[in-house]
Amino acid sequence: GAGVSQSPSNKVTEKGKDVELRCDPISGHTALYWYRQSLGQGLEFLIYFQGNSAPDKSGLPSDRFSAERTGGSVSTLTIQRTQQEDSAVYLCASSLWGDIWTGGGDSPLHFGNGTRLTVT
Amino acid sequence: GENVEQHPSTLSVQEGDSAVIKCTYSDSASNYFPWYKQELGKGPQLIIDIRSNVGEKKDQRIAVTLNKTAKHFSLHITETQPEDSAVYFCAACGSSYKLIFGSGTRLLVRP
Repeated sequence: GAGVSQSPSNKVTEKGKDVELRCDPISGHTALYWYRQSLGQGLEFLIYFQGNSAPDKSGLPSDRFSAERTGGSVSTLTIQRTQQEDSAVYLCASSLWGDIWTGGGDSPLHFGNGTRLTVT
Repeated sequence: GENVEQHPSTLSVQEGDSAVIKCTYSDSASNYFPWYKQELGKGPQLIIDIRSNVGEKKDQRIAVTLNKTAKHFSLHITETQPEDSAVYFCAACGSSYKLIFGSGTRLLVRP
């Protein structure tokens, strides 16, 4: 079936511009995550949505970053006034439910292929 | 907060040899430990996971071991093949629902 879809796959923007990154999770998945992967680095948690609960924004690096999830499905990550240090691959993931702690392997994360953001 | 350390950062092995990647975690409450494989230009894909009530799990050529006392877990790949070449990430889920990832290991399997 269809996996997690992210668009665009690549985005080049000038410093100071705003960008929007889109994520279409797997249908029926209630949990959605955004991670950031800098070149040669691990995955840095940004934000987490679970159903209708308030999102966990604890990983957002600054107030220039925000995210929404409309109708419990599609999510948009917005970066305002982009800086060169924002350049990275932004990965979205979804899972059937968000209780990884107890759900474990029954509800693994499924990642999209990411959006490569380059700020010039 | 939770921290996961992974090593080595790069690993080169001859085809047919075994590869071992090791991770340590800081949150003693962690109870779920997945491993992901990331190929160039793609998102990470789950290859195997283990829960804290199990010491070892095996799936064909890959296995994961967990030592809760020492707070470390390892990925073992036997009879490596060129298609195993990729970046591998360990992760741990502690007293939250967030997966915390290690920094990754770039595995190269030489034909």
